[in-house]
Amino acid sequence: KQEVTQIPAALSVPEGENLVLNCSFTDSAIYNLQWFRQDPGKGLTSLLLIQSSQREQTSGRLNASLDKSSGRSTLYIAASQPGDSATYLCAVDAGGTSYGKLTFGQGTILTVHP
Amino acid sequence: EAGVAQSPRYKIIEKRQSVAFWCNPISGHATLYWYQQILGQGPKLLIQFQNNGVVDDSQLPKDRFSAERLKGVDSTLKIQPAKLEDSAVYLCASSLTLNTEAFFGQGTRLTVV
Repeated sequence: KQEVTQIPAALSVPEGENLVLNCSFTDSAIYNLQWFRQDPGKGLTSLLLIQSSQREQTSGRLNASLDKSSGRSTLYIAASQPGDSATYLCAVDAGGTSYGKLTFGQGTILTVHP
Repeated sequence: EAGVAQSPRYKIIEKRQSVAFWCNPISGHATLYWYQQILGQGPKLLIQFQNNGVVDDSQLPKDRFSAERLKGVDSTLKIQPAKLEDSAVYLCASSLTLNTEAFFGQGTRLTVV
């Protein structure tokens, strides 16, 4: 059974810092991995999706890497801003007969203070 | 393009009462998911539909939860009777088909007292 773990559970940083969020998964046979953002009281917004054949994806100040063999992904946020404050979730899609079914980590609560 | 619509946004009920949530997916999306997110945890898949058929409901507590997607578009999730531990946000998501990116609605926050 796939298990996804995110470290740290919470992170508080001053504005302008570069930061790294970590995600690990127990079964390396994945179809893709996604990073989501969740604001309080809101749904999930997809940030980046990395296919199993890819090593990384970039969008603006965000960069996500994937190392399937070690079961790890990192989300790098450059020059953090107070507007980046949210919960960040990673999720894996095992593919095969489980296409589309996402297994989520518990999330990292990020606070960026001015 | 309109996103995934869910209603109601909030619901408070007493234990042992029943409740229903509604989801309207993005137009043309064949696959629909219901997830349960308990406070402080990541979402957990309850059920997955492909058109009007169930693909996976292995994590749905079938003694009290039921879901349907009769015409392959809108879906309803029902809980009867509710327990305190059902307090959570219920998220609906849809995707074009099984192996494409899913888009999430804003969720329904259920509080059982």
